[in-house]
Amino acid sequence: GESVGLHLPTLSVQEGDNSIINCAYSNSASDYFIWYKQESGKGPQFIIDIRSNMDKRQGQRVTVLLNKTVKHLSLQIAATQPGDSAVYFCAESYNQGGKLIFGQGTELSVKP
Amino acid sequence: NAGVTQTPKFRVLKTGQSMTLLCAQDMNHEYMYWYRQDPGMGLRLIHYSVGEGTTAKGEVPDGYNVSRLKKQNFLLGLESAAPSQTSVYFCASSYSPFTEAFFGQGTRLTVV
Repeated sequence: GESVGLHLPTLSVQEGDNSIINCAYSNSASDYFIWYKQESGKGPQFIIDIRSNMDKRQGQRVTVLLNKTVKHLSLQIAATQPGDSAVYFCAESYNQGGKLIFGQGTELSVKP
Repeated sequence: NAGVTQTPKFRVLKTGQSMTLLCAQDMNHEYMYWYRQDPGMGLRLIHYSVGEGTTAKGEVPDGYNVSRLKKQNFLLGLESAAPSQTSVYFCASSYSPFTEAFFGQGTRLTVV
């Protein structure tokens, strides 16, 4: 969803459903992308990453898809669980710069 | 291993006071980052370092200075704190631009 003011986009899903979180990145030169999960009061934790020479990568219950044509990244979580409730951020990096830039984030709420 | 450790965890400053936030990592990482996170928002890059003795500006560098005199430490300084610098500050480190960044637990700073 679109962000308005200081409110994070929110995705609400039922336990057991699949979740899809989207991210539009800004720099066409970015060549490494990461998804992070942040629980309340904690620092971000790594979920999965993908290099720009790939368009899909799978982990345990998570899949990241990369569409470089439209500069879009998505995170798919299979069989979403209450413990998946958190804020999810995408981040981009490129070799020549060294910066690691974060997107705004999406709050995932899982209903039991 | 401790990973990434931030000191202090909480601090209250008066407007105009100065302070230094310390980030220490024990993973021999080259890259280190300082971010700030405001309520309902993502992480914004303040400054970063691509190796001992180097620093570079991020997205929101004004009002902050940094130093990387030792590879394992990255210091963030506020010379004259302002209420607009009230935020949660996160430090992170990574081996390279193509590997995940590990985050500290954050420092909650309030400027009154």
